[in-house]
Amino acid sequence: SYVLTQPPSVSVAPGQTARITCGGNNIGSKSVHWYQQKPGQAPVLVVYDDSDRPSGIPERFSGSNSGNTATLTISRVEAGDEADYYCQVWDSSSDHPHVVFGGGTKLTVL
Amino acid sequence: EVQLVESGGGLVQPGGSLRLSCAASGFTFSSYWMSWVRQAPGKGLEWVANIKQDGSEKYYVDSVKGRFTISRDNAKNSLYLQMNSLRAEDTAVYYCARVPDILTPFDYWGQGTLVTVSS
Repeated sequence: SYVLTQPPSVSVAPGQTARITCGGNNIGSKSVHWYQQKPGQAPVLVVYDDSDRPSGIPERFSGSNSGNTATLTISRVEAGDEADYYCQVWDSSSDHPHVVFGGGTKLTVL
Repeated sequence: EVQLVESGGGLVQPGGSLRLSCAASGFTFSSYWMSWVRQAPGKGLEWVANIKQDGSEKYYVDSVKGRFTISRDNAKNSLYLQMNSLRAEDTAVYYCARVPDILTPFDYWGQGTLVTVSS
């Protein structure tokens, strides 16, 4: 089965840029979606199809995807960005399409 | 406004059953795939099951196949998850989520309902 690998934690100072990676075999050939989850809340979609943003998501959130790594980039990080972030793809390699999530990355704003 | 409201969670003994419901509003329910995603305490997200708009296709993660059944009632704008032969490892918050189509993201999520499997 397809596996997505994320670093458990990333730390960044306010105003700096945070980069959260999501590794997978030839992930560049798939569409990657990213979710933000704050404690006690449901996940929220922040980037879809590698680099598109849903309405209402700040332009500070961006994404890229190539080769074996997808990256969520958060520019000018704010205290309110502190959360867990998950990448997600659809895997169609088996007899039916199924969903794969990365293990999640906790973003700490120092 | 899109709303997804889960219900039916609670404490159940190992081997027991539980039926979760998700009431949808604010969109044309019958036009969307729907899913269940769970999150064990302190752990990451795990996809559980998907169901097509008309219920004709259903997909499950291997760990729940044969024990869980996803279904929907488009007339009632409702999604369900029948969970049988529950195990301790099924303990989690269960979220229902909307999926515009296969290969697309989960664009709306409910607030979740907690299922605890324990004796």
